[in-house]
Amino acid sequence: NAGVTQTPKFQVLKTGQSMTLQCAQDMNHNSMYWYRQDPGMGLRLIYYSASEGTTDKGEVPNGYNVSRLNKREFSLRLESAAPSQTSVYFCASNDPTGANVLTFGAGSRLTVL
Amino acid sequence: AQRVTQPEKLLSVFKGAPVELKCNYSYSGSPELFWYVQYSRQRLQLLLRHISRESIKGFTADLNKGETSFHLKKPFAQEEDSAMYYCALSKTGGYQKVTFGTGTKLQVIP
Repeated sequence: NAGVTQTPKFQVLKTGQSMTLQCAQDMNHNSMYWYRQDPGMGLRLIYYSASEGTTDKGEVPNGYNVSRLNKREFSLRLESAAPSQTSVYFCASNDPTGANVLTFGAGSRLTVL
Repeated sequence: AQRVTQPEKLLSVFKGAPVELKCNYSYSGSPELFWYVQYSRQRLQLLLRHISRESIKGFTADLNKGETSFHLKKPFAQEEDSAMYYCALSKTGGYQKVTFGTGTKLQVIP
């Protein structure tokens, strides 16, 4: 039981490059989330998926796209990376009892030069 | 809109001293409130929920709807409490988005 797994753990991009952050959970959770963590800004919600087949914007969705590929996987794509997207990205999933208790991945540190 | 405010970026206390991490929220319904903790080199994890009304690692938090606050307290700080603490809020009802505050770094001085 791995919980929430994110890949890659580290990535360096040049401005304008694209990449996809992958997230998978093996806990049969319905809801999945992408946050970014920046010093002094806390955790800000980028996108979330309440259930398979649905996605909704969070506080800071601009510059990102998401795909809920199936119940297990929720990917985050940066189409044209910008230095402002340098951050640590966290994926999380939600207990199926609907308790809104999040289980987090280890994080992906992205640097955009 | 739901909002969580943690006014302190850094809180330094001596070992054995009481700790209070402040959290205020803005929400026009019945919220669920949480405290999450991130220890050095570990994943962010749930510390406690207001619904559970339990004490975890000596920490407690009481929801004060009148003051819209959910402050985290511990009577005697331990060195192992040093970590980043985040207050979070969601609507009740499950499968909701969860909004976090900016976090407070607790530093317990030996």
